[in-house]
Amino acid sequence: DGGITQSPKYLFRKEGQNVTLSCEQNLNHDAMYWYRQDPGQGLRLIYYSQIVNDFQKGDIAEGYSVSREKKESFPLTVTSAQKNPTAFYLCASSSLGAGATNYGYTFGSGTRLTVV
Amino acid sequence: GIQVEQSPPDLILQEGANSTLRCNFSDSVNNLQWFHQNPWGQLINLFYIPSGTKQNGRLSATTVATERYSLLYISSSQTTDSGVYFCAVRPLNAGGTSYGKLTFGQGTILTVHP
Repeated sequence: DGGITQSPKYLFRKEGQNVTLSCEQNLNHDAMYWYRQDPGQGLRLIYYSQIVNDFQKGDIAEGYSVSREKKESFPLTVTSAQKNPTAFYLCASSSLGAGATNYGYTFGSGTRLTVV
Repeated sequence: GIQVEQSPPDLILQEGANSTLRCNFSDSVNNLQWFHQNPWGQLINLFYIPSGTKQNGRLSATTVATERYSLLYISSSQTTDSGVYFCAVRPLNAGGTSYGKLTFGQGTILTVHP
């Protein structure tokens, strides 16, 4: 079945560490996105990518980095520069192009990151 | 940037009741989606509906783009409908395409009691 796989489901980070969250999709979607969700809040965009080897900052990119070396993969690194990284991180993908009839997002199941 | 307001913020229902959730947005959009987030955090896309009306089982949605609002109707609610419902939009002036980053509302928390 097609979908998005995020790993790990739970991640604990020590102060000063960088950690990388994985996101893989087999939907053949061109666009991929990373969102952050804090308790009781909506989703805020961190980074997005519309094509391999290209990505754009979202609304809260500081302290995060991404890469898009393959169409299927869009890993997110939470660096030590991110001062408050404890949150729920969600990856999504969607179709692009004028030929698509539905630009709806498909989300992964998320990664809960906690700083210890 | 575009503002997205959802109402009500909280809604409590008895099983079998009907409900209407509203999403107001401050600018013209070319992409509007409704999502359900279950208690475990999984977000499911319910509708891609930048305009018009769609139905899927007990759920239906209507977007009146000229008046900048969308409605999500849930009929004969079930306990499994509980969770958070999000509306998300992309402003038309962000570019000529319908893809790209979405701005999310704060959500409506729905609790359905048996």
